[in-house]
Amino acid sequence: AQSVTQLGSHVSVSEGALVLLRCNYSSSVPPYLFWYVQYPNQGLQLLLKYTSAATLVKGINGFEAEFKKSETSFHLTKPSAHMSDAAEYFCAVTAGTGNQFYFGTGTSLTVIP
Amino acid sequence: GAVVSQHPSRVICKSGTSVKIECRSLDFQATTMFWYRQFPKQSLMLMATSNEGSKATYEQGVEKDKFLINHASLTLSTLTVTSAHPEDSSFYICSAVPLLGTRNEQFFGPGTRLTVL
Repeated sequence: AQSVTQLGSHVSVSEGALVLLRCNYSSSVPPYLFWYVQYPNQGLQLLLKYTSAATLVKGINGFEAEFKKSETSFHLTKPSAHMSDAAEYFCAVTAGTGNQFYFGTGTSLTVIP
Repeated sequence: GAVVSQHPSRVICKSGTSVKIECRSLDFQATTMFWYRQFPKQSLMLMATSNEGSKATYEQGVEKDKFLINHASLTLSTLTVTSAHPEDSSFYICSAVPLLGTRNEQFFGPGTRLTVL
């Protein structure tokens, strides 16, 4: 079985500051991990994914995440926050090959001007 | 590539009526589609797994007679909310898994906002 935990339902950062959104996973098999962003009243947009290749994954809009097996973590970072980054972020895990996705509870990111 | 559409994007209906939501994979074939429900400020809750040509698999607590799912082709799955009530108001999102290629990823539709009066 798989699950993810997102620590911090709300995160606020100043514009230009580092963004760090935390995700820890649990999986009985090698996991595939994803970060999605959701803007109000919209679907999910894939930011990046880890699929057992490089542990440091770069995504769109300057985001990146590092898979750390020893810490069972897949935290999302961005060096400098932009106002347009304000949104809801979801971490998800799957066992792969068409299996069910398990989503975290989400983290709402606020960017302060 | 890998675009999933949903129709309608927004629907308002009266209590007691039925509403059909379509999920289409536009440029790929999908044997498996998933239906999620999302309440305001909450995460996605998986409702059911839809497999082409077979009955959907529903998650515990989801009423299969209320949320009818039909996956008639490799590019279309439909969710029908029967006898809708205000508590069914929610954001419904579908996703599709490609038959070929990146099968470890799901591609999500833009969602359908259902409001039941």
